[in-house]
Amino acid sequence: DAGVTQSPTHLIKTRGQQVTLRCSPKSGHDTVSWYQQALGQGPQFIFQYYEEEERQRGNFPDRFSGHQFPNYSSELNVNALLLGDSALYLCASSYGTGNSEAFFGQGTRLTVV
Amino acid sequence: KNEVEQSPQNLTAQEGEFITINCSYSVGISALHWLQQHPGGGIVSLFMLSSGKKKHGRLIATINIQEKHSSLHITASHPRDSAVYICAVTRSGNQFYFGTGTSLTVIP
Repeated sequence: DAGVTQSPTHLIKTRGQQVTLRCSPKSGHDTVSWYQQALGQGPQFIFQYYEEEERQRGNFPDRFSGHQFPNYSSELNVNALLLGDSALYLCASSYGTGNSEAFFGQGTRLTVV
Repeated sequence: KNEVEQSPQNLTAQEGEFITINCSYSVGISALHWLQQHPGGGIVSLFMLSSGKKKHGRLIATINIQEKHSSLHITASHPRDSAVYICAVTRSGNQFYFGTGTSLTVIP
């Protein structure tokens, strides 16, 4: 049983470009949350998707958008990349939106130059 | 002020030592989580607690709901325990609020 998988593992982009990160949840999970972790910091919540809709959103600008597909996989899109967007992007999956155990992917390391 | 505070930020221990990492939080929670993050980046869930105490191998996690405080203990520490340990809480909707983590190094 595959856990949470994220792709790509590493990515280098130029300032101003756009990027798409992907996440496949653990089998049986239907909720995907995205987090940004800057170096030396704890992860910060970006948003959560359930039933193909954004259910909750953290304090991130509209440049950060997402999507959830019918198979529960999800994408995180970031437009007009800034140097400060360089971070580890983590995806977590869970079942439902209540209190349940979450599983995390290995993350995508994004570097903006 | 962060909703979740951890201490210490960094911890170095000799192999075999008993280790304690503390976490305090300031909001109402559904559950408290202890997570482990290795240098590669992936996060592994160690415990999910809403009350009392849980034990898994050499790891013990406790929570005091009234005092809004939790501790993670590692008995007989080993170099392979070296990692960042993160305390996080979930509220409604299963959104995590993370502490900044405790970087643990266990020296042989």
